[in-house]
Amino acid sequence: EIVLTQSPGTLSLSPGERATLSCRASESVRSSYLAWYQQKPGQAPRLLIYAASNRATGIPDRFSGSGSGTDFTLTISRLEPEDFAVYYCQQYDSSPRTFGQGTKLEIK
Amino acid sequence: QVQLVQSGAEMKKPGASVKVSCKASGYTFIGYFMFWVRQAPGQGLEWMGWLNPINGDTDYAQKFQGRVTVSRDTSITTAYMELTGLRSDDTAVYYCARAGNISALLDALHIWGQGTMVTVSS
Repeated sequence: EIVLTQSPGTLSLSPGERATLSCRASESVRSSYLAWYQQKPGQAPRLLIYAASNRATGIPDRFSGSGSGTDFTLTISRLEPEDFAVYYCQQYDSSPRTFGQGTKLEIK
Repeated sequence: QVQLVQSGAEMKKPGASVKVSCKASGYTFIGYFMFWVRQAPGQGLEWMGWLNPINGDTDYAQKFQGRVTVSRDTSITTAYMELTGLRSDDTAVYYCARAGNISALLDALHIWGQGTMVTVSS
């Protein structure tokens, strides 16, 4: 199975700063079948990015995704207070469709 | 609007079974693959499997093979996930989630249910 490793585990930043989250796959993810989700406490995850770089419906343009093969990045250009949450990457190229362990984005 | 509404919290004893429902509305139920994911308390997301509502085809993560069954009732646009032989480490929130594109198996999880908490305890 494809193992996804997210880094850092925790990222401490202030509102207005730029956040860069990494997701590395143990083998190449075909056709960039990689997604990013945001999860806040007590809520279901919400899709942010699919196919590595496409924003989901209603997602602000401060969220962007990039990468291919084994290295993917989620960037939040200017952090808003509501962006502090846990972020997961997921590959849907092969079964089982694994998730990364998550990056917690916390307020500094 | 497109919505997935799951059944309520369950408390089960070890060895029992649980069946979680996921009622879909606002779209053509048979057109979109349905997926199941779980999350143990304080932990990350774990993939369980998928269902093709148009023909009932399923696929499961190997970890759950033999214990999980995903099914559907198209007449009431509802998907189900049944897990048998429950253990304490099956305590988790169970989510259903829908693909974003018609008939797309290789797709992200665009729409999520609110989750169902299943607690396994003696």
